[in-house]
Amino acid sequence: QQQVKQSPQSLIVQKGGISIINCAYENTAFDYFPWYQQFPGKGPALLIAIRPDVSEKKEGRFTISFNKSAKQFSLHIMDSQPGDSATYFCAASKGSGNTGKLIFGQGTTLQVKP
Amino acid sequence: DADVTQTPRNRITKTGKRIMLECSQTKGHDRMYWYRQDPGLGLRLIYYSFDVKDINKGEISDGYSVSRQAQAKFSLSLESAIPNQTALYFCATSDLGQGNQPQHFGDGTRLSIL
Repeated sequence: QQQVKQSPQSLIVQKGGISIINCAYENTAFDYFPWYQQFPGKGPALLIAIRPDVSEKKEGRFTISFNKSAKQFSLHIMDSQPGDSATYFCAASKGSGNTGKLIFGQGTTLQVKP
Repeated sequence: DADVTQTPRNRITKTGKRIMLECSQTKGHDRMYWYRQDPGLGLRLIYYSFDVKDINKGEISDGYSVSRQAQAKFSLSLESAIPNQTALYFCATSDLGQGNQPQHFGDGTRLSIL
């Protein structure tokens, strides 16, 4: 079963718009929620991450919103740019003792039109 | 030079063949991982290793084996390849430290099994 469910599968946004990608998880033991960004022909790279003790984390144009009671978290990309066109993966892991094991969502392909 | 190098980058082979995918890293990280990426399924963990003497199964280890030859080298083998192992394979590394450390991915091996 998919422990982390991601939506939408694909997203098209106009330049300057807001891109929103959502993830839901099942296991309440998860305590670390990163987002990875992947460009064509490249491996994923860490974009931003959050822990459940905060409801929001912002880094530049990228913001994670976290709703612990709903077991949901989302990535918001403000002022989306064509260079943001990529595939985005949410992920989750458990064990603040650093297990290193990530469970990934299915991925969202974002296209930002000029 | 890339910090995490995967070879080969592309491979086409036939059902029943034995295949080895290799990963080497210059980041000095203790932890190494093998994932496969399939459209609509995201990345799934095959095997992971926290040091040279430590090998662990991930979500989908059946049909795969690994070898950690040195801190810097982690190889993935398909003993008898089958078509549903056609996928994009990624190696990743992470540091051993307090809290969750980001995973650093190679650029992948695209494997096609006919």
